Amino acid sequence: AQSVTQLGSHVSVSEGALVLLRCNYSSSVPPYLFWYVQYPNQGLQLLLKYTSAATLVKGINGFEAEFKKSETSFHLTKPSAHMSDAAEYFCAVSPWGTASKLTFGTGTRLQVTL
Amino acid sequence: NAGVTQTPKFQVLKTGQSMTLQCAQDMNHNSMYWYRQDPGMGLRLIYYSASEGTTDKGEVPNGYNVSRLNKREFSLRLESAAPSQTSVYFCASNNRDRNQPQHFGDGTRLSIL
Repeated sequence: AQSVTQLGSHVSVSEGALVLLRCNYSSSVPPYLFWYVQYPNQGLQLLLKYTSAATLVKGINGFEAEFKKSETSFHLTKPSAHMSDAAEYFCAVSPWGTASKLTFGTGTRLQVTL
Repeated sequence: NAGVTQTPKFQVLKTGQSMTLQCAQDMNHNSMYWYRQDPGMGLRLIYYSASEGTTDKGEVPNGYNVSRLNKREFSLRLESAAPSQTSVYFCASNNRDRNQPQHFGDGTRLSIL
């Protein structure tokens, strides 16, 4: 069985501040991990993925995430928030070796203020 | 590139009516998926099709049927809509055997009165 917990349904940061969105996973087998972003009235867009290569993964739009097996975490960070980063972010997990059986977290809505 | 196209984008139904949501992808993917998104619950898998000619239940299949019409198209049918099926429905696709991430359509917003 696999599951994902995203801490904080809403996160607010100032423009230029660090963005940190938390994701912890539970999986009985080594996982693949994903972060997706959803802008209003749109579908989900892949930000980055971890598939057992480098533990620090760089994605689009300046985001990155670090896989920490000891902490079962895959937190998403960006050094400097931009207004255009305001969106909902989803962490997802699938069993190692397949990107098919995704289990999503409940999402974190990021607000960026001036 | 169109990617994953869903039709319609919006729909309002009355309880008991039937409806088919359409999904088509032009990326030559072999696997396709249907999810529903509800506030505070993330996305939950309804049905998926690993390859043309096969379909399998996901986490929340009750009240739905699917058809993998060909490699490009995967439809979701509500035979007798219920208010609990009010949701945003997303279709996705990937090449599962190449471990590609899933690509998503823009969604169908369905309200059932």
